Amino acid sequence: QKEVEQNSGPLSVPEGAIASLNCTYSDRGSQSFFWYRQYSGKSPELIMFIYSNGDKEDGRFTAQLNKASQYVSLLIRDSQPSDSATYLCAVGQDGGYQKVTFGTGTKLQVIP
Amino acid sequence: GAVVSQHPSRVICKSGTSVKIECRSLDFQATTMFWYRQFPKQSLMLMATSNEGSKATYEQGVEKDKFLINHASLTLSTLTVTSAHPEDSSFYICSASTSGGLKNIQYFGAGTRLSVL
Repeated sequence: QKEVEQNSGPLSVPEGAIASLNCTYSDRGSQSFFWYRQYSGKSPELIMFIYSNGDKEDGRFTAQLNKASQYVSLLIRDSQPSDSATYLCAVGQDGGYQKVTFGTGTKLQVIP
Repeated sequence: GAVVSQHPSRVICKSGTSVKIECRSLDFQATTMFWYRQFPKQSLMLMATSNEGSKATYEQGVEKDKFLINHASLTLSTLTVTSAHPEDSSFYICSASTSGGLKNIQYFGAGTRLSVL
């Protein structure tokens, strides 16, 4: 069974600090990796996606992928209280099969 | 781009009634749509995957006769909760994905909060 593991948190960081969110996955055939942000009572919204090993930066967000270690992370620089949410890691396989497996999410709290 | 519209946003109904939820991709053709359910403080649970013009694929434990899914066009999928009961009260969220462009990205609707009295 394909699994995606995340620490449920909460992860508390002070405003302005770097928040580091981690995710591991079990299926070595995984090819696509996503981070979604979900505010309480709302639906998930896409933050980042990454397909290749290494880092991908978008504004204050950096996704890091290490397929050998089956590990993907999300760094949030200069954390703001508005970043407080649950962050969902999602992992998909290739071949046009579009179903992804979601982790249970990590709750992030940014303390003003 | 990649906007998914979901209606209604909230439904309150009596036990035994049926509720239909619509999910539309507004600016792209969604070859695949997904239906999720989320209970308070829990993670997303995939209920079913639907492809345009074919029968939906339900996850284990999800009753296909209770949760009817129709994906009649490349921009519209519907979920009907038949004979709803209080235990069906939950947050239902759809997402849409396209076979073209970026792989496997799912764009989510705003969700429907169902309360069955």
